[in-house]
Amino acid sequence: AQTVTQSQPEMSVQEAETVTLSCTYDTSESDYYLFWYKQPPSRQMILVIRQEAYKQQNATENRFSVNFQKAAKSFSLKISDSQLGDAAMYFCAYRGHYGGSQGNLIFGKGTKLSVKP
Amino acid sequence: GAVVSQHPSRVICKSGTSVKIECRSLDFQATTMFWYRQFPKQSLMLMATSNEGSKATYEQGVEKDKFLINHASLTLSTLTVTSAHPEDSSFYICSARLRGGQSKIQPQHFGDGTRLSIL
Repeated sequence: AQTVTQSQPEMSVQEAETVTLSCTYDTSESDYYLFWYKQPPSRQMILVIRQEAYKQQNATENRFSVNFQKAAKSFSLKISDSQLGDAAMYFCAYRGHYGGSQGNLIFGKGTKLSVKP
Repeated sequence: GAVVSQHPSRVICKSGTSVKIECRSLDFQATTMFWYRQFPKQSLMLMATSNEGSKATYEQGVEKDKFLINHASLTLSTLTVTSAHPEDSSFYICSARLRGGQSKIQPQHFGDGTRLSIL
């Protein structure tokens, strides 16, 4: 079975600085997708960034980027120029190939990010 | 963009009552919907996968007679917590998966969740 591990329960960053959230996963599949979701205090789940495993290039979305190391099964999220609105729970998620898992997401336990003004 | 509406957002009721939560895909057809439960400061745990027109698939440890799921149309899935007790108090979130290739880009669209409190 696939697992997702986030080893940092809490992280803190100064406004305008850069922070990296760690995520590792375990799978025997070769084709899969990885995601980072943000959950602010409102509890709404917001997709931050996604990575397809067959793509070697790291995904980037404005201030958010990932460091995807397929061999190491690592998928970290880097937030640059941190803003107060970035404060939230961040969940790393894995999704197997469409045909095998019906598309359900497997979530890590989350990292609570605080941003200091 | 794809929107999922979840209703109600908050429920407070007495022990022993049944509570129904609705999850609607507003501008797309969702052949598959997912129901998650989230305890405070914890991650989302998949409870069941709901497929339109067929029985839901429950995760291990989830009582199917306790958590009734109905997915009668391509835009609506419901979760009914039967004879609710205080230990059923939690945050419940639904999500819907788009059909076809779009699902690879954004696999699921989430509702805003339902906070259930059983007194």
